[in-house]
Amino acid sequence: KAGVTQTPRYLIKTRGQQVTLSCSPISGHRSVSWYQQTPGQGLQFLFEYFSETQRNKGNFPGRFSGRQFSNSRSEMNVSTLELGDSALYLCASSGLADTQYFGPGTRLTVL
Amino acid sequence: DAKTTQPPSMDCAEGRAANLPCNHSTISGNEYVYWYRQIHSQGPQYIIHGLKNNETNEMASLIITEDRKSSTLILPHATLRDTAVYYCIVRVGTATGNTPLVFGKGTRLSVIA
Repeated sequence: KAGVTQTPRYLIKTRGQQVTLSCSPISGHRSVSWYQQTPGQGLQFLFEYFSETQRNKGNFPGRFSGRQFSNSRSEMNVSTLELGDSALYLCASSGLADTQYFGPGTRLTVL
Repeated sequence: DAKTTQPPSMDCAEGRAANLPCNHSTISGNEYVYWYRQIHSQGPQYIIHGLKNNETNEMASLIITEDRKSSTLILPHATLRDTAVYYCIVRVGTATGNTPLVFGKGTRLSVIA
């Protein structure tokens, strides 16, 4: 079974721009969670989607948003990028067993 | 905040067992112990999880104390590819929801040839 895939793997943007990251979960998994990893703050939870509905949300500003499609694929969007948004963005999917499996991440650099 | 305490770093000789401790003294009855590892700049990899019984899979063994206040992840024969940051996480298990993983700083395991 194929794992979680994330695109793109690397991205460079400038301050003020917006960015959209994509995540395809493991086949059959309906829950998708997003995390941000920075050297200073470590791994932090952004939000989780299940059946196209946001079910949990972490403590991030409204510039961070997401959505999930009927095929369980998910996107996250960051608007008005700041230098501090430079991070590894990780997506994890889970099925009925509730264990989260992570993708390789998207490395975002904001200049 | 993470509900676990782990040593910041450990070394292990290649071929020997690596025993990674984790303290979770405030764990609740419905919380599971999960272990993930992260090899540099890759996504975290699920290793194993358990509630109160010891668990074993192809990657590792998880030993949970009877009072559930601590646990040990055992990699039976460590290789250089096991060098990574290992995270111990306690998390509510639920059949109807999916609670977020709360990562601490983990233990940086270095396997030495």
